[in-house]
Amino acid sequence: LAKTTQPISMDSYEGQEVNITCSHNNIATNDYITWYQQFPSQGPRFIIQGYKTKVTNEVASLFIPADRKSSTLSLPRVSLSDTAVYYCLVGDMASGGSYIPTFGRGTSLIVHP
Amino acid sequence: DTAVSQTPKYLVTQMGNDKSIKCEQNLGHDTMYWYKQDSKKFLKIMFSYNNKELIINETVPNRFSPKSPDKAHLNLHINSLELGDSAVYFCASSQADAVNGYTFGSGTRLTVV
Repeated sequence: LAKTTQPISMDSYEGQEVNITCSHNNIATNDYITWYQQFPSQGPRFIIQGYKTKVTNEVASLFIPADRKSSTLSLPRVSLSDTAVYYCLVGDMASGGSYIPTFGRGTSLIVHP
Repeated sequence: DTAVSQTPKYLVTQMGNDKSIKCEQNLGHDTMYWYKQDSKKFLKIMFSYNNKELIINETVPNRFSPKSPDKAHLNLHINSLELGDSAVYFCASSQADAVNGYTFGSGTRLTVV
C-alpha cells in the first residue's frame, strides 16, 4: 500500500490560496490520488481525485507532477469555513473492493480572520 | 434524502453491554465500510462488504460483527463493550471501483462508561 505523508497542520488567512502537499513516493501504476475534507463531528467528504497532471473542480485543484510521487491540493481564496482536516489517499480504487482505503493523520488547516 | 445514514448519532452505554449501530445507503453502491476514528483522529478501516460479502476484515476483536442483510445496509454489532471501544464510528459506501470516492455517514459517537 502506498504510504502518504502530509504536514500535520497549516495556518492561513481568509482570502489566501492554500496549497497542501502530500508525498507518496511508492505510488503504483494503477493508483489514483484522492483528497477528502473532514469537519468536526462529520464524516470525511470527497473533494477531488486525479491520476496525473491537473484536475480542477468547483472546490479545488489537484496538481500531480509527472513522476506522481507527490500531489498538491490547492484551495483558492479560503474562508473560515474551510477550516477542517484534509486527507490524502492513494490506492488502486479500481481493484473492486479489495482496495483498502487507508487514511493517514491528515492536515489540520486553520483559517484565521 | 440522506445518502448514507447512521443511527444512532450518539450512544452512551455501560461496559459489558451489547449494542448495534445501523447504516443504510440509498446511492445504489456495491460496497460498504465501517471505520473507527479514535480520540487522536486516526481513521481506521474495520470492515468492507461488497454485495453482501465480507471483503476486508482488519484486525478487529471478534466482539465486533458486521451484518449485511442486503447491499444497502451494513450494521455493526458490538458485544461485551469495553472502555477502549469509545470512539466515533463511520459508515461509508462506494461503487466497487470507487473512482468517484467514498460517501461517509455523519458518524456515531459511542461512549462506554
